[in-house]
Amino acid sequence: AQSVTQLDSQVPVFEEAPVELRCNYSSSVSVYLFWYVQYPNQGLQLLLKYLSGSTLVESINGFEAEFNKSQTSFHLRKPSVHISDTAEYFCAVSSTGFQKLVFGTGTRLLVSP
Amino acid sequence: NAGVTQTPKFQVLKTGQSMTLQCAQDMNHEYMSWYRQDPGMGLRLIHYSVGAGITDQGEVPNGYNVSRSTTEDFPLRLLSAAPSQTSVYFCASSGFTQMNTEAFFGQGTRLTVV
Repeated sequence: AQSVTQLDSQVPVFEEAPVELRCNYSSSVSVYLFWYVQYPNQGLQLLLKYLSGSTLVESINGFEAEFNKSQTSFHLRKPSVHISDTAEYFCAVSSTGFQKLVFGTGTRLLVSP
Repeated sequence: NAGVTQTPKFQVLKTGQSMTLQCAQDMNHEYMSWYRQDPGMGLRLIHYSVGAGITDQGEVPNGYNVSRSTTEDFPLRLLSAAPSQTSVYFCASSGFTQMNTEAFFGQGTRLTVV
């Protein structure tokens, strides 16, 4: 069985400050890792993914995450956040690509001016 | 290209009533799935399907029924609604034979059972 732990339920940060949202996973098989973002009253949107290859993956809006197999982590980082980054972020794991995703409990990022 | 469409967006049911949540996708994806989202619990997989005529249970299937008669549609049925089924439901679709085809989510159905 797979599981995902997002220890921080809420992360408050000031605009233009750096942020790290933590994600740890547990799995007995090789995994694929994802970060999804959910804006209020909307569905989930894929932010970035690790399927294979480089362990550092980046999104088009400045987020990045690094797959660390030894620490079983996939932390999400951004060097400078914007008000518009306020949303809930979900880390997810799967052993079958985009199928049967197992989600963490989510981290609410609150960016204030 | 509409992506994944869920209807209705909101629904209030009385305990014991039945209803069907609709999900349709126009991307010719083989794989479709239903999740429920509850506060502090993230999203949990209810049922999934890898193609027309093939369905299987996820993590929390009790109280829900699904069928897949076409590639496009994957309805979720609540046969006898219970307050514990109050939740936000999301449908998602993705490729299957092409494993790296991104999963797309619908906008969600907010269900309240009173």
